[in-house]
Amino acid sequence: DTEVTQTPKHLVMGMTNKKSLKCEQHMGHRAMYWYKQKAKKPPELMFVYSYEKLSINESVPSRFSPECPNSSLLNLHLHALQPEDSALYLCASSQSGRRLSEETQYFGPGTRLLVL
Amino acid sequence: EDQVTQSPEALRLQEGESSSLNCSYTVSGLRGLFWYRQDPGKGPEFLFTLYSAGEEKEKERLKATLTKKESFLHITAPKPEDSATYLCAVRYSGNTPLVFGKGTRLSVIA
Repeated sequence: DTEVTQTPKHLVMGMTNKKSLKCEQHMGHRAMYWYKQKAKKPPELMFVYSYEKLSINESVPSRFSPECPNSSLLNLHLHALQPEDSALYLCASSQSGRRLSEETQYFGPGTRLLVL
Repeated sequence: EDQVTQSPEALRLQEGESSSLNCSYTVSGLRGLFWYRQDPGKGPEFLFTLYSAGEEKEKERLKATLTKKESFLHITAPKPEDSATYLCAVRYSGNTPLVFGKGTRLSVIA
């Protein structure tokens, strides 16, 4: 089973709201990722967690705050977003996080976010 | 300079008309090349991982190959349900992020 689940599927929020995106995997993977994807563009990496520790932050604005409560869960907390943050937010996981360059990443279905 | 280049940008095929998609990459430091399929509004679906030149992998109507400079995704006798965007991604040595190409949008017409 190579399933990564994400909730919610769709989210509409105002610029003053606080919301959270959730990602879960039960494959025993120890690396988890957040990506942002705009229409007709490839995914762009935001954050990487390896063994529940943040290992990569691709200079993402502080209005995006990741959290990894345990090895199966990954959250993305959103606060004071801008309309240009509207996008498909993808979560992915890979096996161990120790050899990131060789590991296959498995993606979830994404959360479609609209910021008004 | 793009590290991963996919071509063509878009491809329209008749059902049953075989073709190939190309992914070329910067030569040095390749650690893995990954092919994904993505339907509109959905997450990328993993297809293949290739690690070394000469490697080939197959799944149903799809076959992925890897040379020292590029990878091909061959589609044999495609069906309309093969219509999607096909993404190629590369990992280089070190703790570097996955580098995606811009994708090839494939349309298969019945």
